[in-house]
Amino acid sequence: EPEVTQTPSHQVTQMGQEVILRCVPISNHLYFYWYRQILGQKVEFLVSFYNNEISEKSEIFDDQFSVERPDGSNFTLKIRSTKLEDSAMYFCASSEDGSYNEQFFGPGTRLTVL
Amino acid sequence: RKEVEQDPGPFNVPEGATVAFNCTYSNSASQSFFWYRQDCRKEPKLLMSVYSSGNEDGRFTAQLNRASQYISLLIRDSKLSDSATYLCVVNPFYNTDKLIFGTGTRLQVFP
Repeated sequence: EPEVTQTPSHQVTQMGQEVILRCVPISNHLYFYWYRQILGQKVEFLVSFYNNEISEKSEIFDDQFSVERPDGSNFTLKIRSTKLEDSAMYFCASSEDGSYNEQFFGPGTRLTVL
Repeated sequence: RKEVEQDPGPFNVPEGATVAFNCTYSNSASQSFFWYRQDCRKEPKLLMSVYSSGNEDGRFTAQLNRASQYISLLIRDSKLSDSATYLCVVNPFYNTDKLIFGTGTRLQVFP
């Protein structure tokens, strides 16, 4: 069964450093998402991406965040200057058709900012 | 009012029991509804979509009541492997594909 993959599984970084989280969505999917989950809290939407551009972003997704699809398979989330409060699990998701359609999640990257 | 509200539990039930979870959502324009399952420190996994007519998948039954803005999940014949957190998830508007998650209801099935 096709699945979303993410690397690395765990990233530890110093405050102020840049990190790039990588995702490979399911191959025939066209819509891509990033969510995050702070430990003990609910899953929160960050950004959606379609046709090589951001289609929607949340208030959390400020200028420190960016997304890119650098080639035909990868989808990345960059945090330019990490803060302590960026420590969370970051999930990538993809769906075939966008609205009304089911989103499938990758295993996540645990980001720890020291 | 929270966008998606769930009883956090935990629900502690014996194997073989039937258990029901409820969820309410605040936006009457919400379009799509889902139940996801999340194991500790793992990703949300889609359990089932929830359709207006209600739907069943094996031991799992989901119901939607648009008038009351209420979604339910029924699990029959609980197994130890059903122990997890069940997330009620809503797509809130017709022109967005973001998902809004509830905080989840924790289920613990004991022998």
